[in-house]
Amino acid sequence: EAAVTQSPRNKVAVTGGKVTLSCNQTNNHNNMYWYRQDTGHGLRLIHYSYGAGSTEKGDIPDGYKASRPSQENFSLILELATPSQTSVYFCASGDAPGISDYTFGSGTRLLVI
Amino acid sequence: TQRLEQSPRFLSIQEGQDFTARCSSSTTFPQLYWYRQVPREGPVILVTLVKSGEVKEQRRMTAKFGEARKNSSLFIARAQPGDAGIYFCTGKNGGNNKLTFGQGTVLSVIP
Repeated sequence: EAAVTQSPRNKVAVTGGKVTLSCNQTNNHNNMYWYRQDTGHGLRLIHYSYGAGSTEKGDIPDGYKASRPSQENFSLILELATPSQTSVYFCASGDAPGISDYTFGSGTRLLVI
Repeated sequence: TQRLEQSPRFLSIQEGQDFTARCSSSTTFPQLYWYRQVPREGPVILVTLVKSGEVKEQRRMTAKFGEARKNSSLFIARAQPGDAGIYFCTGKNGGNNKLTFGQGTVLSVIP
């Protein structure tokens, strides 16, 4: 069954440390996205990718990097984690063009202390 | 950045009551989606709207897209506890396929 899988599901990190969130999709979608979800803000786009080797800045990219080494994998990297990056992070895959919807992963809960 | 405003932000209703979530924007969207999210899971698509004035009915759910493609509503009849969750309207920016999310409507259904 096609799916988007995120790892880890939960992560505790120390301020200043490096954090990598991983996402794998079996939908064979070209596009992948990283969002963060905070109370009162809905989901906000951090980075996205059109395909292997491509990364694009979303609406709130500061403090984050992304890597798309293959069609299936898209990582979100926090080089120097800060408490303000405590959030729930969602990865999604989707395709273009057309009206296809996104498929979301189950989320990664990150706590930066 | 395009924005989607949703109302109400929170709603608690009795089982069997009807529920309407609304979504509006100052700009047009070529496509609009309604997603539902339950705790510890990602959002899941409910319905896709692509035509001005479109109305889609699915079981107890009716979704409408405004003529100007700037607003939408999601109506659920006879709500059940399983309908509880956060309902997001989202719009796709056609050029780059990014989804813009509203803040969500949090629905609680009391048995």
